[in-house]
Amino acid sequence: SQQGEEDPQALSIQEGENATMNCSYKTSINNLQWYRQNSGRGLVHLILIRSNEREKHSGRLRVTLDTSKKSSSLLITASRAADTASYFCATDQGSYIPTFGRGTSLIVHP
Amino acid sequence: GAVVSQHPSRVICKSGTSVKIECRSLDFQATTMFWYRQFPKQSLMLMATSNEGSKATYEQGVEKDKFLINHASLTLSTLTVTSAHPEDSSFYICSARGVGRDEQYFGPGTRLTVT
Repeated sequence: SQQGEEDPQALSIQEGENATMNCSYKTSINNLQWYRQNSGRGLVHLILIRSNEREKHSGRLRVTLDTSKKSSSLLITASRAADTASYFCATDQGSYIPTFGRGTSLIVHP
Repeated sequence: GAVVSQHPSRVICKSGTSVKIECRSLDFQATTMFWYRQFPKQSLMLMATSNEGSKATYEQGVEKDKFLINHASLTLSTLTVTSAHPEDSSFYICSARGVGRDEQYFGPGTRLTVT
């Protein structure tokens, strides 16, 4: 069964705007990872955040984790057309086998 | 670093034939490799987990005799789809986790079409 569920399923914004995607999960986790997938391609690892961390940054990406609410968010600031992709969260409950959600499809209009 | 390759990227085969897909970690040793299947606009569904030198662990509902997995070395795992049927057409993605690492690194995927 899927552990992480992304919200929204689809997001359409203009270049320069910020994009926020959320991920909720059901059971306790060791870590949560965000990935990007361009259409028909493999997944690119973006950020891993551990259960004892609350926020991580990587370039224009900001990830937060709230273990009390069992949720995470991915913020992409100053979005670009090249950010158009599907974004997945994956949770690791300790088995080192990430479980993926359905993903958020992001479209950034130039 | 942490590059994973897959070969072939696309393959078309006829029903009843077998197809082998290779997954290689190019610049790190992968103690564990994972095989996923993805349908259009869907999430990744884990098929099996393979550890170097041991038998793969298959997820419920995945036929191990149909999807043969071999993890012969710390840098290579193969998935063989035997007696392929059109319903096996899908996007197959492998990933690898390095020694002592939590992150998984994914290959570019293989598009299998069975006619």
